[in-house]
Amino acid sequence: NAGVTQTPKFQVLKTGQSMTLQCAQDMNHNSMYWYRQDPGMGLRLIYYSASEGTTDKGEVPNGYNVSRLNKREFSLRLESAAPSQTSVYFCASSPTGTGNYEQYFGPGTRLTVT
Amino acid sequence: DAKTTQPNSMESNEEEPVHLPCNHSTISGTDYIHWYRQLPSQGPEYVIHGLTSNVNNRMASLAIAEDRKSSTLILHRATLRDAAVYYCILRDWGNGGSQGNLIFGKGTKLSVKP
Repeated sequence: NAGVTQTPKFQVLKTGQSMTLQCAQDMNHNSMYWYRQDPGMGLRLIYYSASEGTTDKGEVPNGYNVSRLNKREFSLRLESAAPSQTSVYFCASSPTGTGNYEQYFGPGTRLTVT
Repeated sequence: DAKTTQPNSMESNEEEPVHLPCNHSTISGTDYIHWYRQLPSQGPEYVIHGLTSNVNNRMASLAIAEDRKSSTLILHRATLRDAAVYYCILRDWGNGGSQGNLIFGKGTKLSVKP
């Protein structure tokens, strides 16, 4: 049981390049989330998917798109990377979007945009 | 969203109890109090949550004030591995969509001295 896995662990992009961050969970969770964390700050929600087939914007969605490929996988795409998107990106999952189930986080992807 | 207030940092000695405070004076009746922690270079991990009564689990205890406007996370015997940023988060369990999401603040950075 690997929990939440993220690829890649590190990435350096040039301004304007695109990339997709991958996230997968093997806990059969309904809900999945993408957060970003800037230095010295707490996490901010980018997008979430309460269940397979649905996605919704979080606090900071601009510049990102997401795809809930199936129940296991939730990807985050940067179409045209900007230096302001330099951050650590965390994916998380939980059994349901409501209620009080805890969220389980992946190890993060450290992205630098030059 | 209801907000929480935590000290920026705290220090503790190894093997001593640690009391991490959190103020949430605007808490609503449907807000649960969640605690997460983030070890260096890792994703956050769930610690504990509660509504009105004090709660205990293998990691920690949560003491909730009678008026629910404050709470305290208690680590009974701090170890070096407990050095982390601790986040106190209010989560509205009663509604679907974004209200069930976690809103992270800056948290309390706990240092543990040997």
